[in-house]
Amino acid sequence: GAVVSQHPSWVICKSGTSVKIECRSLDFQATTMFWYRQFPKQSLMLMATSNEGSKATYEQGVEKDKFLINHASLTLSTLTVTSAHPEDSSFYICSAPRGGARGQNTEAFFGQGTRLTVV
Amino acid sequence: GESVGLHLPTLSVQEGDNSIINCAYSNSASDYFIWYKQESGKGPQFIIDIRSNMDKRQGQRVTVLLNKTVKHLSLQIAATQPGDSAVYFCAERGRDTGRRALTFGSGTRLQVQP
Repeated sequence: GAVVSQHPSWVICKSGTSVKIECRSLDFQATTMFWYRQFPKQSLMLMATSNEGSKATYEQGVEKDKFLINHASLTLSTLTVTSAHPEDSSFYICSAPRGGARGQNTEAFFGQGTRLTVV
Repeated sequence: GESVGLHLPTLSVQEGDNSIINCAYSNSASDYFIWYKQESGKGPQFIIDIRSNMDKRQGQRVTVLLNKTVKHLSLQIAATQPGDSAVYFCAERGRDTGRRALTFGSGTRLQVQP
């Protein structure tokens, strides 16, 4: 069964509105979660690292004021796309590493993804 | 910069044949590698992983081979089935980066012909 749950699986919104996407680890605690974006026929590109209890770390070129990340608890991270525009339409995917001490390589579990369409 | 790339964007095989998907990586400090399968409209699904202290690892119908000398990774699927049709990504994590996010390759689409 899924160990990382993402909601919603798809959303359509109007330009200028904001959309919140949730990512939950279901049976483990995740102090770190990752948000990726995937455009059609392309690979996953890391957007930001969500850290429980501290600010998110954004990749170069990703606007932190546009993509707000909140790691509210050890099992929940949210990504809010603010003032959405059609070019923000994409597939957003979260992941959470499970187990292992800091620095130890562990398998990363992925959510089901959220298809965002901005019209 | 660091990158993980693939040689073949699309691979078409007959049902029952073996499939081999290749991946090249550039970060010589990478020490953990994962193969993911992604079906249309879904998130990546873990297939198999391998650490840099190994050169081969086998799972159910899948085998991952790691050649650190030439920085090459491959995924072998035995007796490929229609349900194996998907896009396959290799991903790596570097020990020296201090971060735990994965870097993904560009992906290979596997098409299984019945």
